[in-house]
Amino acid sequence: DAKTTQPTSMDCAEGRAANLPCNHSTISGNEYVYWYRQIHSQGPQYIIHGLKNNETNEMASLIITEDRKSSTLILPHATLRDTAVYYCIVRVAPDNYGQNFVFGPGTRLSVLP
Amino acid sequence: DAGVTQSPTHLIKTRGQQVTLRCSPKSGHDTVSWYQQALGQGPQFIFQYYEEEERQRGNFPDRFSGHQFPNYSSELNVNALLLGDSALYLCASNPTGTGRNYGYTFGSGTRLTVV
Repeated sequence: DAKTTQPTSMDCAEGRAANLPCNHSTISGNEYVYWYRQIHSQGPQYIIHGLKNNETNEMASLIITEDRKSSTLILPHATLRDTAVYYCIVRVAPDNYGQNFVFGPGTRLSVLP
Repeated sequence: DAGVTQSPTHLIKTRGQQVTLRCSPKSGHDTVSWYQQALGQGPQFIFQYYEEEERQRGNFPDRFSGHQFPNYSSELNVNALLLGDSALYLCASNPTGTGRNYGYTFGSGTRLTVV
């Protein structure tokens, strides 16, 4: 079973920041938080991941609370192409080939013109 | 640099038949995982291959089997197809033992329809 809870759907106006929350209250100390997204009819796409510090890359920012029980993915200037299902996943340290990703139903983000 | 390549993109089979799906991992990746995604749901882990061996398996029956070749490519085989096997089958690859891992790279999937 997925270890995360996300809202089923969210809307965001084009050009505004999209803030997608995720609860992972049972996260362990060695588990990372990963975010993927899946645009219709495509495979999931890696966005970002982090352990306890906030992270930023060219796609998004990841804000993890100090107690690590929740996080927020931020798309700073959402475009229509960001419309997708966003998955928040927790997983043990990534170098072990035996670790797989457990996907929940995710959040369906609709960016509106 | 080609990413993960899957073939075919679409497939229609009849109940009871067998099917083979193929996956070529991203260059430099040696681990391949397979996922099944039913309509409206998140992907579900089937199994993972590394060094030509199945390393981990999800909650799928023995009708689902796989293989990894020396060039790291992989096949997913499903026997005695059921209507419920209709889904998008995703292949993902990642490098092992390379330090910081930025997650899996997924292919676009094979859409299997069982009629």
